[in-house]
Amino acid sequence: GAGVSQTPSNKVTEKGKYVELRCDPISGHTALYWYRQSLGQGPEFLIYFQGTGAADDSGLPNDRFFAVRPEGSVSTLKIQRTERGDSAVYLCASSSGRGGDQYFGPGTRLLVL
Amino acid sequence: AQSVTQLGSHVSVSEGALVLLRCNYSSSVPPYLFWYVQYPNQGLQLLLKYTTGATLVKGINGFEAEFKKSETSFHLTKPSAHMSDAAEYFCAVSMNYGGSQGNLIFGKGTKLSVKP
Repeated sequence: GAGVSQTPSNKVTEKGKYVELRCDPISGHTALYWYRQSLGQGPEFLIYFQGTGAADDSGLPNDRFFAVRPEGSVSTLKIQRTERGDSAVYLCASSSGRGGDQYFGPGTRLLVL
Repeated sequence: AQSVTQLGSHVSVSEGALVLLRCNYSSSVPPYLFWYVQYPNQGLQLLLKYTTGATLVKGINGFEAEFKKSETSFHLTKPSAHMSDAAEYFCAVSMNYGGSQGNLIFGKGTKLSVKP
């Protein structure tokens, strides 16, 4: 079946602009995670959704970052007033529940100029 | 707090040679342990995981890892490297929430090169 998909695959923006990154999880997966992978680093946890609600947003670096999952399926990560330091690959993962294995999408590569 | 240390950002082996990628973790409670592989321009793929039970875990593509609590290690091995094993490998840990895994905490990754 279809895996986790993320759009766009690449995004180039200018400092100060607003961006939205989309994640389509595996159908039926109730848990959804966002991670950020900076160059030369492992992925770092940002936020976890169980259904429509953000169960854990402790990894969001500051209030410029926000994520939603209004219908418990697709999720959007929103970044306001982007900074050059936000440049990274943003990864989305989904699982069948809190205890399930996480399946990752290919990521969105964000470059802030 | 949990953390993961992967020794060696780059490892190079010859085709047919043993692959050994090292991972050490710190955790105040017994964690769940994972190895993921990332091929260029692809998402992370789960290779294997340890939750409970047998400490030697077998995964896909001939890889295996052994959980050693006394050494807080979870090293990844493969007896004979293949060219297709060239990729970046990430060790990760998560909390054990009453039998369910939580958010993943990753190491910095080890890039494996395989020479013909």
